[in-house]
Amino acid sequence: AQSVTQLGSHVSVSEGALVLLRCNYSSSVPPYLFWYVQYPNQGLQLLLKYTSAATLVKGINGFEAEFKKSETSFHLTKPSAHMSDAAEYFCAVSDRAGSARQLTFGSGTQLTVLP
Amino acid sequence: EAQVTQNPRYLITVTGKKLTVTCSQNMNHEYMSWYRQDPGLGLRQIYYSMNVEVTDKGDVPEGYKVSRKEKRNFPLILESPSPNQTSLYFCASSSFRSGANVLTFGAGSRLTVL
Repeated sequence: AQSVTQLGSHVSVSEGALVLLRCNYSSSVPPYLFWYVQYPNQGLQLLLKYTSAATLVKGINGFEAEFKKSETSFHLTKPSAHMSDAAEYFCAVSDRAGSARQLTFGSGTQLTVLP
Repeated sequence: EAQVTQNPRYLITVTGKKLTVTCSQNMNHEYMSWYRQDPGLGLRQIYYSMNVEVTDKGDVPEGYKVSRKEKRNFPLILESPSPNQTSLYFCASSSFRSGANVLTFGAGSRLTVL
């Protein structure tokens, strides 16, 4: 069985500050990890994915995430927040590539960017 | 434009009145799926389909039906809606060739059952 825990359902940062959204996973096999973003009144879209290549993964809009096996973590970061980053972010885990049936989502983190 | 289209986007209905939420994709994707999103619970999978005429239950299938008669369409049917089915629903699709867990989502359908 696999699961995802996102620490902090709401995170607020000032514009220009570091963004750090936390995700810890549990998986009995090497995981495939994803971050999806949901802007207001829209569906989710893929931000980045880890599929056992480089542990530091770069995504769209300046976001990146680092896979740390020892910590079972896949935290999402961005050096400088922009107002347009305000959205809900979902971490997801899959036990193998190409298996959408096994994709498990976290409960989401709402990011607010303060001017 | 490649997209997943859901209709209606917003719907208020009453208990027991059958309804269908349509989902259509124009990317020739094999895989399609329905999720519901509830506060604090993230996304939970209702049903999924690996291809035409192939469907299976997800994690929360009770009270829902689906069909996949054509590759592009995957409607979600609520035969007798109840208030606990009030939720935000998302349809998603993906291609096995590009990685089935890289999903393209529709914009969502917000359903209220009174």
